[in-house]
Amino acid sequence: GQQVMQIPQYQHVQEGEDFTTYCNSSTTLSNIQWYKQRPGGHPVFLIQLVKSGEVKKQKRLTFQFGEAKKNSSLHITATQTTDVGTYFCAGNERGNTGKLIFGQGTTLQVKP
Amino acid sequence: KAGVTQTPRYLIKTRGQQVTLSCSPISGHRSVSWYQQTPGQGLQFLFEYFSETQRNKGNFPGRFSGRQFSNSRSEMNVSTLELGDSALYLCASSLVHYNEQFFGPGTRLTVL
Repeated sequence: GQQVMQIPQYQHVQEGEDFTTYCNSSTTLSNIQWYKQRPGGHPVFLIQLVKSGEVKKQKRLTFQFGEAKKNSSLHITATQTTDVGTYFCAGNERGNTGKLIFGQGTTLQVKP
Repeated sequence: KAGVTQTPRYLIKTRGQQVTLSCSPISGHRSVSWYQQTPGQGLQFLFEYFSETQRNKGNFPGRFSGRQFSNSRSEMNVSTLELGDSALYLCASSLVHYNEQFFGPGTRLTVL
């Protein structure tokens, strides 16, 4: 079945450093979504990418969807302590939308 | 607009018992998905309902079942509980199945 791998599992950065998490799917995706979960909280939607090669920005966050629609990345510029949490990618397999498969998540710690 | 609500928030059961969890989606949302979240396995897709029909199912044993009512509220049931069923069970609703998902706060199930 479809698998979504995400690396790294953990990342500790100094405040102000950049951070990137990578997501790879075993199958071609119709779209990919990114979520953030704060400690003790529930996942909160950040963005959805649909088009091959798509790049979207939200302030200090940059999201990319690969040309083959099998990989994606989230880059945070100049991290802040408010960025702490676990970032998940989640893919809808092409032709099987509705079954969202989540990556294992990358937990980001930011040292002030 | 009220968010996704889940009841109960916390539950303690013993092995062999069964449990029913409830989820009320955001008003107007017809797609409801359920996920199991554990530290070791991350967020795993259980099933997705749309207009009272189960459209997608994850790789969980038949002890896990669910249903959706005409008002889009959903329930999931776990029979013959095992220790490994201890987890945070998250419900998410969306307007259409491939769009952003809005998660509820989850039900923390502990099986003793």
